[in-house]
Amino acid sequence: DAKTTQPNSMESNEEEPVHLPCNHSTISGTDYIHWYRQLPSQGPEYVIHGLTSNVNNRMASLAIAEDRKSSTLILHRATLRDAAVYYCILRYTGTASKLTFGTGTRLQVTL
Amino acid sequence: NAGVTQTPKFQVLKTGQSMTLQCAQDMNHEYMSWYRQDPGMGLRLIHYSVGAGITDQGEVPNGYNVSRSTTEDFPLRLLSAAPSQTSVYFCASRRGDYSNQPQHFGDGTRLSIL
Repeated sequence: DAKTTQPNSMESNEEEPVHLPCNHSTISGTDYIHWYRQLPSQGPEYVIHGLTSNVNNRMASLAIAEDRKSSTLILHRATLRDAAVYYCILRYTGTASKLTFGTGTRLQVTL
Repeated sequence: NAGVTQTPKFQVLKTGQSMTLQCAQDMNHEYMSWYRQDPGMGLRLIHYSVGAGITDQGEVPNGYNVSRSTTEDFPLRLLSAAPSQTSVYFCASRRGDYSNQPQHFGDGTRLSIL
């Protein structure tokens, strides 16, 4: 399985944008880039996913490098409720494809 | 809109006891899976199922059994609990096709083995 590399932790001020990076230099052509987050004492929550083009939804934006070896999750205005561990995961398309979690990036948001 | 429901939320066991962690989903998802999460670590896959009657091992299957008799339910059995199985267990489900749909997680079962 292709692996991802994320910083262990990041900090942000409330109401400022946050850019969470992820490196995946061994990504294959069939791997989708998924982002999940885990708030304290909760199960992981889906954030966004993409293949080649940048993606936007109500929670965040996903910017994917042209060579697909890296991506960035963008929270446009961080709030205290966005403090969580963010996981960048590669997943191929298929009925049995699995999510393989790393240790993620712990995002702290301060006033 | 229940989603993925796990019971119990908390459990304390003694070494050697057995128990079943329950997981149910009401979204008619084919794919279901169990993860464990130890302190400071990401989730590790224990077992998964791509449909009723079909199960397979994940990354850390030893000490656990699963079965999938219905689409809705995917129980996880600890055969003889050991302190090393103290962890938080998460169940997840998603559509089991090629559409790359997101995975939905339950709130977890916090299990302590004494």
